[in-house]
Amino acid sequence: DAKTTQPTSMDCAEGRAANLPCNHSTISGNEYVYWYRQIHSQGPQYIIHGLKNNETNEMASLIITEDRKSSTLILPHATLRDTAVYYCIVRGLWNAGNMLTFGGGTRLMVKP
Amino acid sequence: NAGVTQTPKFQVLKTGQSMTLQCAQDMNHEYMSWYRQDPGMGLRLIHYSVGAGITDQGEVPNGYNVSRSTTEDFPLRLLSAAPSQTSVYFCASSYRGRAYEQYFGPGTRLTVT
Repeated sequence: DAKTTQPTSMDCAEGRAANLPCNHSTISGNEYVYWYRQIHSQGPQYIIHGLKNNETNEMASLIITEDRKSSTLILPHATLRDTAVYYCIVRGLWNAGNMLTFGGGTRLMVKP
Repeated sequence: NAGVTQTPKFQVLKTGQSMTLQCAQDMNHEYMSWYRQDPGMGLRLIHYSVGAGITDQGEVPNGYNVSRSTTEDFPLRLLSAAPSQTSVYFCASSYRGRAYEQYFGPGTRLTVT
């Protein structure tokens, strides 16, 4: 799996967009970018994933640069409930025995 | 749908005791997994299953057994509890074709004294 680099922590005002960056300069052509988050004391939660096109779902948008060396997860209108640690994972197709291996992640604090 | 449920939420065991952590899902997911998460650490895969009757070891299987007799249930058995097994245990499930989209239960917080 390609190595990822994320800022340790970020703050965001409630109601504003939260933009969480992830660098993955060694990503290979068949590797996807996945995002998960873990709210304190809860199990991790899948957010979104993409290969090279931008993706959007009901939770977030994922913007992947044209060279695929970095990406940004966007929470369009952050709420206090979005306070969590966000993990960017880069890997190929996900199989049953693949570990959900987290790096350090970004601790997002949404403030009133 | 209840999603993924786990029982108990909290458990204290003495060294050497055995117990079973229960996990059930009502989404008809083929894949199920057990992870442990130690304080300030990431998840480590204990065992996983790709379907009823099929299980396999993950990264840290020693001291744990699993079975999958039905699609819905995937219990984790601690054979002889040790303090090193103090952790939060998460069960997860996913569809075979969307293995990346894992649904997690609320976790079981286990303390072994």
